[in-house]
Amino acid sequence: ETGVTQTPRHLVMGMTNKKSLKCEQHLGHNAMYWYKQSAKKPLELMFVYSLEERVENNSVPSRFSPECPNSSHLFLHLHTLQPEDSALYLCASSQESGNTEAFFGQGTRLTVV
Amino acid sequence: AQSVTQLGSHVSVSEGALVLLRCNYSSSVPPYLFWYVQYPNQGLQLLLKYTTGATLVKGINGFEAEFKKSETSFHLTKPSAHMSDAAEYFCAVSSNFNKFYFGSGTKLNVKP
Repeated sequence: ETGVTQTPRHLVMGMTNKKSLKCEQHLGHNAMYWYKQSAKKPLELMFVYSLEERVENNSVPSRFSPECPNSSHLFLHLHTLQPEDSALYLCASSQESGNTEAFFGQGTRLTVV
Repeated sequence: AQSVTQLGSHVSVSEGALVLLRCNYSSSVPPYLFWYVQYPNQGLQLLLKYTTGATLVKGINGFEAEFKKSETSFHLTKPSAHMSDAAEYFCAVSSNFNKFYFGSGTKLNVKP
């Protein structure tokens, strides 16, 4: 398998549930990202991991908790979400050399009910 | 600080007509610039990128973009639109720190 794979593709969860989004990259990259894409809003960078260390946390609420156990895997743990957290969550990876592009997964469509 | 402005959230063209999607950037360091395309409920796919060298870059599906430093622009063009080009297009800028900043996107509609 190649590229960036996200699971699940669709997720419906209640506000009291706990769930996790998974991202896996098979490109040998050393940087991984979570983005949030809401309707009528620009892509929001949530978290950046470089060499498995978190280097960016863009004032994301604590109900979103990222985890990067190794350079190939990235998780986003979700708990006590709000309906406004419903969005497409995109994972991306890149090689940390500055002049290479980010490769995106297909995204997880999250609906909070 | 870096940022991207895409002029026009919606652009509509006829099939066979020129496509022009505008992107202006702000960057305190030499930028790396990218155009991505997104189809409904999909991730973003790279169309083309500018890093160094030739300022006119060609990408997939007949798209190209020109980096104009004096105008801080990186507009995307395609000579002849096809129905399959209907999608949302994002311009992005990054620096040596590999943080990608995206514009708010332009939805391209292609009329038959």
